[in-house]
Amino acid sequence: DSGVTQTPKHLITATGQRVTLRCSPRSGDLSVYWYQQSLDQGLQFLIQYYNGEERAKGNILERFSAQQFPDLHSELNLSSLELGDSALYFCASSEAGSSYNEQFFGPGTRLTVL
Amino acid sequence: AQTVTQSQPEMSVQEAETVTLSCTYDTSENNYYLFWYKQPPSRQMILVIRQEAYKQQNATENRFSVNFQKAAKSFSLKISDSQLGDTAMYFCAFTQNAGGTSYGKLTFGQGTILTVHP
Repeated sequence: DSGVTQTPKHLITATGQRVTLRCSPRSGDLSVYWYQQSLDQGLQFLIQYYNGEERAKGNILERFSAQQFPDLHSELNLSSLELGDSALYFCASSEAGSSYNEQFFGPGTRLTVL
Repeated sequence: AQTVTQSQPEMSVQEAETVTLSCTYDTSENNYYLFWYKQPPSRQMILVIRQEAYKQQNATENRFSVNFQKAAKSFSLKISDSQLGDTAMYFCAFTQNAGGTSYGKLTFGQGTILTVHP
């Protein structure tokens, strides 16, 4: 158990819908990262938040957005869903000041868009 | 932009034998970290081993060791005494050393599926 929790574990929805994925980082970790794992794109970095502020952006679509709240949990919002958005979405957290930049991954949320 | 390449989509090994997974990367940075992550059928991402680019000594964690060749930008993973529980997808990953702010996205390779046969 990495200490990072993600809800829900599975999500099935229809095209055009909007969903919210939730992540709670390890206690004390200020950074939260979101990654997408799909068959065609592999594992891709989406976005990172540090202590409530957006720190880095990767290949995140405009239909996707995220935020980190004062209690440090984070939410990834996916809207106008398309079939291609079906993927495993991981959240990871890391400790501020960690010289190893080690990221601890949650169990992931499996999103299926029908 | 950094890229990570794993040229072996699949590998197999007999139980108790040794296997080496290959990884190459491309970066213009001098300070960075390299990782190997394991993803078993449960899909959980598990850190196997890490290497700081400024350290010449290769990292070792029990049965897992790396061969880090900085000039060649090569970072291979050796698994000794392979066990059935080592069956998983293995990802090589790269991140910059971002110091105290701890920002640093991971850039992953495509993964290598390793199957350990009894």
